[in-house]
Amino acid sequence: ETGVTQSPTHLIKTRGQQVTLRCSSQSGHNTVSWYQQALGQGPQFIFQYYREEENGRGNFPPRFSGLQFPNYSSELNVNALELDDSALYLCASSLATAGGTDTQYFGPGTRLTVL
Amino acid sequence: AQSVTQLGSHVSVSEGALVLLRCNYSSSVPPYLFWYVQYPNQGLQLLLKYTSAATLVKGINGFEAEFKKSETSFHLTKPSAHMSDAAEYFCAVSRGGTYKYIFGTGTRLKVLA
Repeated sequence: ETGVTQSPTHLIKTRGQQVTLRCSSQSGHNTVSWYQQALGQGPQFIFQYYREEENGRGNFPPRFSGLQFPNYSSELNVNALELDDSALYLCASSLATAGGTDTQYFGPGTRLTVL
Repeated sequence: AQSVTQLGSHVSVSEGALVLLRCNYSSSVPPYLFWYVQYPNQGLQLLLKYTSAATLVKGINGFEAEFKKSETSFHLTKPSAHMSDAAEYFCAVSRGGTYKYIFGTGTRLKVLA
């Protein structure tokens, strides 16, 4: 069973650019959530995808968008990058069931630096 | 609404001493509670979780936590600290395992030789 993987590991962009981060879910999982972790802070929920549809969103502007593919891999896209977007971006996958008792398993993250 | 407060952004203990990391939560629905550990430049690893079953939860690496509804607490403990326990620890609350997690600001544990 493979765990959650993310690519790239590190990324440097300049203000105003666009970035795409990728996540491969753990085998058998149908739900992916994205979190932003600024330096010295706890992770903040960005949004969640379930069966290719957005299934909840945190307090992030529309320039943060996502996709989930039929194989349950996922992308996080950020347009018009700002300096404050510099953070560790974490992807977490889980298996949504009627009981909702599964746990989110996190990937190693992508470190984004915006200059 | 849900929230988590972790008291103490930095905690230092001697090797072999008791580890106690504090977490208080607020939730309008029965909570699911989690403790994660994060080593430098890595993602989050699940230590343990509470999902309304037993109030004393045992996790990996000798850690355990007790859910106390009356105190709205879910403190993390380990009887004897090891140097390898040095890391950042996050408490999180959710209304279900697959719903969004609300994280605390973290506690950095330092283990002194």
